[in-house]
Amino acid sequence: GDSVTQMEGPVTLSEEAFLTINCTYTATGYPSLFWYVQYPGEGLQLLLKATKADDKGSNKGFEATYRKETTSFHLEKGSVQVSDSAVYFCALPYQAGTALIFGKGTTLSVSS
Amino acid sequence: DAGVTQSPTHLIKTRGQHVTLRCSPISGHKSVSWYQQVLGQGPQFIFQYYEKEERGRGNFPDRFSARQFPNYSSELNVNALLLGDSALYLCASNLAGGQTDTQYFGPGTRLTVL
Repeated sequence: GDSVTQMEGPVTLSEEAFLTINCTYTATGYPSLFWYVQYPGEGLQLLLKATKADDKGSNKGFEATYRKETTSFHLEKGSVQVSDSAVYFCALPYQAGTALIFGKGTTLSVSS
Repeated sequence: DAGVTQSPTHLIKTRGQHVTLRCSPISGHKSVSWYQQVLGQGPQFIFQYYEKEERGRGNFPDRFSARQFPNYSSELNVNALLLGDSALYLCASNLAGGQTDTQYFGPGTRLTVL
């Protein structure tokens, strides 16, 4: 069935370091792909999305490219800030788009 | 505009009790979904409702039920609570529930079962 696999965390970086969080998926066809972020004590916020293959989603300096050849949607940021410390979830729709499957989440901790 | 709102924020119950969680979607959104997020895990889909009809159901026991009202708000009910039901319950709304629709999440209700 459909699934999402994220790299295990936690990821600990210094401010201004480069970030990559890997996400691969298994699905029928070419579903939309999403990255959500959860700050401490809060619900999930959409960070970025891509609706078709080769699309690049971007927001707040974060980017992810929908790669159908490698079934991946890796999240990247060139220079992380302390305020980026959060849990990041990769997700894709299933059940005809009525629901989202989430990865287990990757905790990012950025120190100054 | 107000985002998705959920009540209560926190709740403590004992095993065997019943709980009702409430959600109000973003104005204009007709679809509401419920997710359970156990500590350290990603959210797990429970239900989706659109125009008061159930459109999707995750792999949860019948102790979990939900409904959607004419104003598109929703309730999640859990009967015969177990310790394992302790989690953050998230509500999300979107316009029509389609695959490309963005789901907007509320802050969640933290349920603790003792």
